[in-house]
Amino acid sequence: AQSVSQHNHHVILSEAASLELGCNYSYGGTVNLFWYVQYPGQHLQLLLKYFSGDPLVKGIKGFEAEFIKSKFSFNLRKPSVQWSDTAEYFCAVTAGYGNKLVFGAGTILRVKS
Amino acid sequence: DVKVTQSSRYLVKRTGEKVFLECVQDMDHENMFWYRQDPGLGLRLIYFSYDVKMKEKGDIPEGYSVSREKKERFSLILESASTNQTSMYLCASSPFTRAPYNEQFFGPGTRLTVL
Repeated sequence: AQSVSQHNHHVILSEAASLELGCNYSYGGTVNLFWYVQYPGQHLQLLLKYFSGDPLVKGIKGFEAEFIKSKFSFNLRKPSVQWSDTAEYFCAVTAGYGNKLVFGAGTILRVKS
Repeated sequence: DVKVTQSSRYLVKRTGEKVFLECVQDMDHENMFWYRQDPGLGLRLIYFSYDVKMKEKGDIPEGYSVSREKKERFSLILESASTNQTSMYLCASSPFTRAPYNEQFFGPGTRLTVL
């Protein structure tokens, strides 16, 4: 069965610091990878996704993620965080042509102003 | 704009009660999903449906059932609520196409407390 690991459950950063959230998955075949974000009091929404092609994908609000197949990783990055990036971030995977998402445990990011 | 609505934001029930959580989407999506979200566990799939009157078990279906009588509505039922079902419940929908994956759109969630 597929599984997704997110390395940090809580991350605290100061504004303008760089962000990298780790995500590793376990599945040997073709995968589709996602990062979702849940801002306080808001719906879960898609931040970015990878299906194929360029392993560096760009999402909304200046976020990007890099797919490294050999490491089974899909880490989320942002060069300079803002207070408004305070949220919970979820990595998720689905295999092949499935529509079933498997989520990681989530990382709560708090950005101090 | 896709809209997924859930009948309640907060719900408090007693152990043993039958609980209905309702979800409605307005984009004519074929697929609908129910998840529960718990701190440190992320989102876990309870049930999903690819069509009216069709349902499939997700990863944690025990203690739950679902109903999909109309395309836009997907109900989650707790036959006899227990305290370990206290959680945030999220509904999602997505269209069915031949693409590898279609984005799931989430509702606001229902925070259920079972006393």
